[in-house]
Amino acid sequence: GESVGLHLPTLSVQEGDNSIINCAYSNSASDYFIWYKQESGKGPQFIIDIRSNMDKRQGQRVTVLLNKTVKHLSLQIAATQPGDSAVYFCAESMDTGRRALTFGSGTRLQVQP
Amino acid sequence: GAVVSQHPSRVICKSGTSVKIECRSLDFQATTMFWYRQFPKQSLMLMATSNEGSKATYEQGVEKDKFLINHASLTLSTLTVTSAHPEDSSFYICSARGSGTGTMNTEAFFGQGTRLTVV
Repeated sequence: GESVGLHLPTLSVQEGDNSIINCAYSNSASDYFIWYKQESGKGPQFIIDIRSNMDKRQGQRVTVLLNKTVKHLSLQIAATQPGDSAVYFCAESMDTGRRALTFGSGTRLQVQP
Repeated sequence: GAVVSQHPSRVICKSGTSVKIECRSLDFQATTMFWYRQFPKQSLMLMATSNEGSKATYEQGVEKDKFLINHASLTLSTLTVTSAHPEDSSFYICSARGSGTGTMNTEAFFGQGTRLTVV
């Protein structure tokens, strides 16, 4: 079936550097995308979302880019901090988010002090 | 943001017994709740979707008689794992979506998860 996947299972960066986490999705009908952060033993924490009528959205230290042509989503974290260390999931949905989310396989971000 | 409370956070049960997990929306009415299962180092997999007052819709491969879902009110949904076996050991996570306008209607808020260990 349709799936959402990631290119890199683990990303290691130095504190202060920028991080880029990528995600490829295959369901062309998806119109709502979200990035979540999950720390060990906890539920996913919302980071930022974007609708398919946009190609970029910025939050506090985070930016999500959406390229619908190649079905690619990325999360950029500026000035990465040790507290950013976690597993990051992209998720997609249809009907502007009213359907259930389909999660990608996750990328572990390790921030080296 | 909206708060979803999941209880218990951890539970250990004997094989063959049943376990109930609660998911509550604390400050909004959740018309739809989703239940996910997550195995170690894996992603979240949707188990079922429940709308308040209706029967849950289960994903393919999820046994509805084993994973009983009740969504009797707009603030509470329960997942009961019946006749649990060691292979049911997993991290179970609920999420809730409201019925209001704006982000409350589309953003899904997640509970803290429940670590189930069946021995």
